[in-house]
Amino acid sequence: QKEVEQNSGPLSVPEGAIASLNCTYSDRGSQSFFWYRQYSGKSPELIMFIYSNGDKEDGRFTAQLNKASQYVSLLIRDSQPSDSATYLCAVNIDQAGTALIFGKGTTLSVSS
Amino acid sequence: NAGVTQTPKFQVLKTGQSMTLQCAQDMNHNSMYWYRQDPGMGLRLIYYSASEGTTDKGEVPNGYNVSRLNKREFSLRLESAAPSQTSVYFCASSLVSGGAAGTDTQYFGPGTRLTVL
Repeated sequence: QKEVEQNSGPLSVPEGAIASLNCTYSDRGSQSFFWYRQYSGKSPELIMFIYSNGDKEDGRFTAQLNKASQYVSLLIRDSQPSDSATYLCAVNIDQAGTALIFGKGTTLSVSS
Repeated sequence: NAGVTQTPKFQVLKTGQSMTLQCAQDMNHNSMYWYRQDPGMGLRLIYYSASEGTTDKGEVPNGYNVSRLNKREFSLRLESAAPSQTSVYFCASSLVSGGAAGTDTQYFGPGTRLTVL
């Protein structure tokens, strides 16, 4: 059974701080890794994808991938109250790269 | 460009009733997916269609059937609804084009909130 694990939280940080969200996965063959954000009552929306070991930055967001440790993380710099949401980690599970397995999500709360 | 649309938005069924959830995308994507989301359980893949004419089981396929009607449309059918199928159902699609970076990104519809009494 392929699995993606996340701490459910809630993770609470003050406005302006760095929020660090972590995810581990079980399938060493996984090649594609995604972070989605989901506001309460809404559908998931993509924040970033990462394929290669190392860091990938996009604005205030940085994804980090370590395939040897089967670990992917998301850093949010200068956290804002509008970042308060559930963050979902997703990993591909098939060779064609189409199907994803999602973690249960980490709830982030940013206080002003 | 509406993206991924789902109908209906809300539905209440009695145990044993059947219904079909509809999903359509206008992004010319090749792959489509059905998920269910329950509190504390995250998104779980029910079925997916990697390309027109193919369907595959996901993590939780029991009690569901799917049809990839054409490239745009992918429906999910509950033949005999059970209270355990009360959930929020999301449809998603992705381009998936020859391994090009980012084309396996999935885009989600607004969801269908289903209650089975």
